[in-house]
Amino acid sequence: SQQGEEDPQALSIQEGENATMNCSYKTSINNLQWYRQNSGRGLVHLILIRSNEREKHSGRLRVTLDTSKKSSSLLITASRAADTASYFCATVLYYNTDKLIFGTGTRLQVFP
Amino acid sequence: DADVTQTPRNRITKTGKRIMLECSQTKGHDRMYWYRQDPGLGLRLIYYSFDVKDINKGEISDGYSVSRQAQAKFSLSLESAIPNQTALYFCATSDRGNTEAFFGQGTRLTVV
Repeated sequence: SQQGEEDPQALSIQEGENATMNCSYKTSINNLQWYRQNSGRGLVHLILIRSNEREKHSGRLRVTLDTSKKSSSLLITASRAADTASYFCATVLYYNTDKLIFGTGTRLQVFP
Repeated sequence: DADVTQTPRNRITKTGKRIMLECSQTKGHDRMYWYRQDPGLGLRLIYYSFDVKDINKGEISDGYSVSRQAQAKFSLSLESAIPNQTALYFCATSDRGNTEAFFGQGTRLTVV
């Protein structure tokens, strides 16, 4: 099964609202990353948080990491229609930094 | 020009045919990856390579082979395509295992 699983699978909100996506994983990590994918296109890296960090910000993005619960959340504040995309978490394992393992993704729809 | 380029972008092939998907990068990264994306399953790792002499299987390597022709080139082959290999395929690169990955735009492969 997947190392990371996102929740919810799909999310619909209005412009201006905040969007929160959650990621749970099973095995100790070196870092956790969030990626964005516009409809069928390549993934774009958004933010990386290391296992010894608890929170990071990048523009309208805020990522938290709780290693005790093996979970992370991505918050997009003041959402825009252009934020409509799929969002994936991906983990690099603590004992094997060779691979980036992806979750199943959250589809975000932001209505104007 | 894109840092990670995949060719072809779209391909329809018949069952039993051999097909090669190509990836080239200008990032200067040693690490290259091939992923497969199916709806609802996120991205799954097929093969990865750390240099031209180092090839590693991912979680779903059966039915696929790869060749690392140079630091900048990593190709994926389906020796005898079957319909359940219909998917979106992505090539990615990274500088090190615990840093961000850069993705190509993907190859949409349909096996009929």
